[in-house]
Amino acid sequence: GQQLNQSPQSMFIQEGEDVSMNCTSSSIFNTWLWYKQEPGEGPVLLIALYKAGELTSNGRLTAQFGITRKDSFLNISASIPSDVGIYFCAGQLSGTASKLTFGTGTRLQVML
Amino acid sequence: GAVVSQHPSRVICKSGTSVKIECRSLDFQATTMFWYRQFPKQSLMLMATSNEGSKATYEQGVEKDKFLINHASLTLSTLTVTSAHPEDSSFYICSAPNRGGYTFGSGTRLTVV
Repeated sequence: GQQLNQSPQSMFIQEGEDVSMNCTSSSIFNTWLWYKQEPGEGPVLLIALYKAGELTSNGRLTAQFGITRKDSFLNISASIPSDVGIYFCAGQLSGTASKLTFGTGTRLQVML
Repeated sequence: GAVVSQHPSRVICKSGTSVKIECRSLDFQATTMFWYRQFPKQSLMLMATSNEGSKATYEQGVEKDKFLINHASLTLSTLTVTSAHPEDSSFYICSAPNRGGYTFGSGTRLTVV
């Protein structure tokens, strides 16, 4: 099935640094979602974006819905050890019950 | 908030046996349930979509006779991996859309030996 391309694939950063990751698609989505997954658990929603150009924050997290509707980025400011995990973007075409297409994931590791 | 309870969290089974995974919506009605499979260090890949009272829709390449889905009530959807083989070992996750978005189960780690 289709996947969204995320970059970087993985990153090691120092505690306190800012982090940026992005997600691109060859097709348009109407909703972009960002999730975090920890080992052995299901994904947890971080931010949802519903309109092209929308910039939304949730604490230290900021995400934007690209104007072309084919991309999105997620920024994490002042990273802390508990930010460790895998971050996935997901695109949704339309409707609250339509399926999600997930990105390839960005694995984040924070060095103390 | 909406909760989806997924069981079991881990299961080890012998080749050739069948395993059933359950996902229950605890405080909302799940008319739709999405079933994903995730191999180590990979993304979530949608396997099938189940709708209460009707046949599931399977993604291309997913064998419907091997992965049996039942969604007989508004609060319970099950995935049965039949005649499991080692290559079916994976992390299986369910997800139900609701007013707050999508709620994911905590996943089932299946190991086939």
